[in-house]
Amino acid sequence: EAGVAQSPRYKIIEKRQSVAFWCNPISGHATLYWYQQILGQGPKLLIQFQNNGVVDDSQLPKDRFSAERLKGVDSTLKIQPAKLEDSAVYLCASSLTGTAYGYTFGSGTRLTVV
Amino acid sequence: DQQVKQNSPSLSVQEGRISILNCDYTNSMFDYFLWYKKYPAEGPTFLISISSIKDKNEDGRFTVFLNKSAKHLSLHIVPSQPGDSAVYFCAASASGNTPLVFGKGTRLSVIA
Repeated sequence: EAGVAQSPRYKIIEKRQSVAFWCNPISGHATLYWYQQILGQGPKLLIQFQNNGVVDDSQLPKDRFSAERLKGVDSTLKIQPAKLEDSAVYLCASSLTGTAYGYTFGSGTRLTVV
Repeated sequence: DQQVKQNSPSLSVQEGRISILNCDYTNSMFDYFLWYKKYPAEGPTFLISISSIKDKNEDGRFTVFLNKSAKHLSLHIVPSQPGDSAVYFCAASASGNTPLVFGKGTRLSVIA
């Protein structure tokens, strides 16, 4: 079974620029999550999708972050404009059952905002 | 407001000895707990889990203990091996249906 694919692996941008991350979950996994992991912290949920619908986006800074999951498969997370404090690893995870039992994480995208 | 707390940022253990990683939680609705292991430049990988109906779950060298009254769980690794050196995250969910909430992690170093 192929894992969760994320790209790019690394990205460096200047503040106020925009950036987008892509995630392709495990085939058949209906639930997709985006987490933000700041250095020295644990992953923090940004948004949860069930198929192509949003289940939880309560912690997504909607003034600058947006995410979509068209056709219920792959997903993109966008930041516009980026701030220095957005420097983090952005992790995508997918789950077959939509529960905590079956998360599989991708390798993440490391974003550095300078 | 941290709902899952790992108060030890790092732990150093000699090879062959026991590693004990601790985790505390504040949300009494949490009833499913997991440990993830993370190597540099990789995503977290699932290690072991425990449901609140149990107080112990064992998988090879890894054992997780849950003390519900104290809202505390711990991960024991016996014997510790150099390949166990990684960051370990404690995570929790309510009814297994809510997204995982993670602690800050503990960096384990196993010294040969």
